[in-house]
Amino acid sequence: GENVEQHPSTLSVQEGDSAVIKCTYSDSASNYFPWYKQELGKRPQLIIDIRSNVGEKKDQRIAVTLNKTAKHFSLHITETQPEDSAVYFCAASIRDTGFQKLVFGTGTRLLVSP
Amino acid sequence: NAGVTQTPKFQVLKTGQSMTLQCAQDMNHEYMSWYRQDPGMGLRLIHYSVGAGITDQGEVPNGYNVSRSTTEDFPLRLLSAAPSQTSVYFCASRTGGVYEQYFGPGTRLTVT
Repeated sequence: GENVEQHPSTLSVQEGDSAVIKCTYSDSASNYFPWYKQELGKRPQLIIDIRSNVGEKKDQRIAVTLNKTAKHFSLHITETQPEDSAVYFCAASIRDTGFQKLVFGTGTRLLVSP
Repeated sequence: NAGVTQTPKFQVLKTGQSMTLQCAQDMNHEYMSWYRQDPGMGLRLIHYSVGAGITDQGEVPNGYNVSRSTTEDFPLRLLSAAPSQTSVYFCASRTGGVYEQYFGPGTRLTVT
């Protein structure tokens, strides 16, 4: 079945540095790629997403890039702040019997040190 | 709007007990899903529904039942709890044709 691999599993950066999290997917028909942020004890919340007809999308300090040929996409956070510390999940859509499902990566724990 | 709500927040069960996790949404979303979250494994789809009266299995359905009698509610039933079902359970909803999912606050379940 569809598989989404996410790396690294943990990432430690200093405040102000950039952070990059990478995901690869296996289903070439995937067309939607969201990123979720989950703070400790909280629900996952969508922070940015990208469709397959777009190569890059930015929202302030957050950007996502997509390489359909290589089947990978990345989350870029610039000027990191301590409040960016959380677990980040990528996901890729798959279509199964007409229903768009999301397959999630295993998560990246980001720690931003002051 | 309350969004997606889940009850209870925490639950401890003994092996073999049954229980129902409640999920409700007030956004008139057609699609609802249940996920479980285990350390190092991300979120895995248990069951989903594309509308009242229509449900289907996800990636890890064994040991769980669902029903969807109304648009608003999508309960998840554990028939005979097992320690392997110790997890955090999230319900999510979205509208058809829009991919963004809204998650509930989660239920932390421990089976001893």
